[in-house]
Amino acid sequence: AQKVTQAQTEISVVEKEDVTLDCVYETRDTTYYLFWYKQPPSGELVFLIRRNSFDEQNEISGRYSWNFQKSTSSFNFTITASQVVDSAVYFCAYTGGGNKLTFGTGTQLKVEL
Amino acid sequence: GAGVSQSPSNKVTEKGKDVELRCDPISGHTALYWYRQSLGQGLEFLIYFQGNSAPDKSGLPSDRFSAERTGGSVSTLTIQRTQQEDSAVYLCASSSDRGGSGEQYFGPGTRLTVT
Repeated sequence: AQKVTQAQTEISVVEKEDVTLDCVYETRDTTYYLFWYKQPPSGELVFLIRRNSFDEQNEISGRYSWNFQKSTSSFNFTITASQVVDSAVYFCAYTGGGNKLTFGTGTQLKVEL
Repeated sequence: GAGVSQSPSNKVTEKGKDVELRCDPISGHTALYWYRQSLGQGLEFLIYFQGNSAPDKSGLPSDRFSAERTGGSVSTLTIQRTQQEDSAVYLCASSSDRGGSGEQYFGPGTRLTVT
């Protein structure tokens, strides 16, 4: 069965620091998709990125970047120059195309002034 | 455009009562999902609807849970004879992807408290 592990339960940083959120997955699927979602204090899950298993190219979107490495089954998320508004719970998720998302347990990020 | 909406936002019910939770997906999205988020269990898949196909009910925790989707749009999740362990936030999501691998857009959730 597929499994997503986010070993970091909580991370605290000071504003402007860079922070990396780790995500490791287990699967026997050859085709699969990985996601990151943000859940701010308001509670609504916000889609950030989707990656398929055939595309290992890293992606950058503003202060956000993602590093996908099949060799280590990891899909890590880095926030550069963190801001207080980045404070949220971040979830990594997986699907093998079987229509449901399997979520990790989430990482609570706290960015302080 | 309008996102996924859910109602009610909060529901408090007594143990043993039935509850209905509603989800309005993004217009045109053929896929609709229900998830549950609780402290002890994290985010769990419950059920998936895709167009007119038979739903994937593999995540429903017991036969007290059921869901339907009328006209390929609005969905209702029903919990019969609620128990305290049903207390959670119930999240609905929709997607335009027909293959089950596209990004899902989530609603604000319904917080259910069973007393």
